[in-house]
Parts: sequence; C-alpha cells; structure tokens
Amino acid sequence: NAGVTQTPKFQVLKTGQSMTLQCAQDMNHNSMYWYRQDPGMGLRLIYYSASEGTTDKGEVPNGYNVSRLNKREFSLRLESAAPSQTSVYFCASSELIETQYFGPGTRLLVL
Amino acid sequence: QKEVEQDPGPLSVPEGAIVSLNCTYSNSAFQYFMWYRQYSRKGPELLMYTYSSGNKEDGRFTAQVDKSSKYISLFIRDSQPSDSATYLCAMSETSYDKVIFGPGTSLSVIP
Repeated sequence: NAGVTQTPKFQVLKTGQSMTLQCAQDMNHNSMYWYRQDPGMGLRLIYYSASEGTTDKGEVPNGYNVSRLNKREFSLRLESAAPSQTSVYFCASSELIETQYFGPGTRLLVL
Repeated sequence: QKEVEQDPGPLSVPEGAIVSLNCTYSNSAFQYFMWYRQYSRKGPELLMYTYSSGNKEDGRFTAQVDKSSKYISLFIRDSQPSDSATYLCAMSETSYDKVIFGPGTSLSVIP
C-alpha cells in the first residue's frame, strides 16, 4: 500500500518547456488535489477533482492544466513553464476532509 | 485580507513546554478545521480534525475552535524535539470541498 505517489521527485526546466507531473493513489479515494507550496505563502490549491471525470479550479490555476485520467491518477501539466512556477508541488487525495493524504512532493526549478 | 492567517514564526521553545499555535480566518462558512504537521522536505500529514466549534484532544495535542471569533488553536503539551516541524492550519466549508491552508508556523523544540 504505497498511498500517494508522485513522479518525478525533482525536475529542472528551461523557460518555455513543458512537462507533466504525475500523481497516483491506491486508497480508492474520490477526491484528488494539486497544491503548490512557496516560502511564506503556504499551500495553495491549483486544481482539484471531486470525482473521476470532474475537475475544478483552485486559487492559482493560471498556467496549469489537469487531467483526471481515472480514479487513481491525476496529472498536472505545465504547457510553457515560467520562473514563477518554481515551487514544490504536492498531490493529495481524500475520501472525506479528515482523510486527506499527501504525496512526497515534486521540486520544480524553472530557469 | 487572506482567507486564513497564521503567524509564520519561527517559534522556538524548550523541551517540555506547552506550545500554542493559532490561526484566524475570515470566511464564516468554514465548518471543518484541520491541523497538519509537515517535517522538512516531506508532505504534510493530518494531525487533528475538528468539526464546527469546540475542543478535541488526542494525546498531547488539543485543538480548539472558536467560530464566533473566527479563531482556531492547537496546543501541544510536554513538547518533544520530535515535534519540531511546520504546523499548517486548514479549513473547508464542507467535507467534500476544497481545503484552504494557512501559511504555516515553524516550530523548534530545543532539548
């Protein structure tokens, strides 16, 4: 039982490059989330998916797209990376609020 | 005004001290209140969860919610060096909704 897994763990991109962050959970949760964490800003919600087939914008969706591929997987895509997207990205899943589990994070550096 | 505010610290206390961590919020519709603990370079983990107003105790940890003042607290009794981490408060309107996080308070417990 791996919980929430994220790949890659670390990535360096040049401005304008694209990439997809992958997230998978094996807890059969309906809800999945993508957050970014920056110093002094805390965790900010980028997108979330309350169930398979649905996605909604969070607080900071600009520059990102998501895909809820199936119940297990929720990916985050940066189409044209910018230095402002340098951050640590966390994926989380939950059935109810009190059961929200986070992945280990992806550290992204955009040069 | 941010939806959820939290003193970032850092807070440094001696081992055995009682620690008080606090958050204020502006959205009166919040009903679910959580505290997460995040160790360095790890994902957050759910520590305490409270619905509506009142207190909840779990071992050395006590969570309090005062909805009339829009103020929540986490108390740690007999603090240990292993409690050294960043503590994030989080809130939601419903149990299926998006979660809004505070920026976190960094705590160091000195042996």
